[in-house]
Amino acid sequence: QVQLQESGPGLVKPSETLSLTCTVSGGSISTDFWNWIRQPPGKGLEWIGYIYNSGSTNYNPSLKSRVTISVDTSAGHFFLKLNSVTAADTAVYYCARREGNGWFNYWGQGILVTVSS
Amino acid sequence: DIVMTQSPDSLAVSLGERATINCKSSQSVLYRSNNKNYLAWYQQKPGQPPKLLIYWASTRQSGVPDRFSGSGSGTDFTLTISSLQAEDVAVYYCQQYYSTPFTFGQGTNLEIK
Repeated sequence: QVQLQESGPGLVKPSETLSLTCTVSGGSISTDFWNWIRQPPGKGLEWIGYIYNSGSTNYNPSLKSRVTISVDTSAGHFFLKLNSVTAADTAVYYCARREGNGWFNYWGQGILVTVSS
Repeated sequence: DIVMTQSPDSLAVSLGERATINCKSSQSVLYRSNNKNYLAWYQQKPGQPPKLLIYWASTRQSGVPDRFSGSGSGTDFTLTISSLQAEDVAVYYCQQYYSTPFTFGQGTNLEIK
């Protein structure tokens, strides 16, 4: 059974960098597709991007200039960095595993990140 | 980007009655080489992550009750709950995985009438 858990600061100042960690257990972090998805309070879901094969990435063009997803396969973690944040980046951030063909079958519980001074 | 549009935004159904949620994609998500529709449905309850219900438009995820079913092809899809139970109160999302960026519908809020 795959389990994911997000961690990181719950409050980030405007213009700074949001940094989150997803800890994976039960899955193959070096071969599966590992994603970040976010959900502003009371709103819908937005796919941010994924990393697979220990380093190949694919990002949502709407965020591509500000996003970096990386992985530490030895520690079983993957990471999200989103720079130059604004209040519009306030959201619950989920990490999720994508089944090879594209649906998300395992999700973390999510972490609320608020952008505020 | 493929835009996913759900209807209605909100739906109230009596217990034991049928609930139907529609999802329309701005372009076909049917991949002709394998005749599969790259469309999934999720259920999200308050304070919880989304839960996968359906993939390939009509394949039920393991453990999902058989009152949930998916249908449709190309650009038009439907999620049906045949007999609404109290625990089905949630927001439902469709999602296309035909191409990146993967996109979701805006959600349908299902309540008990």
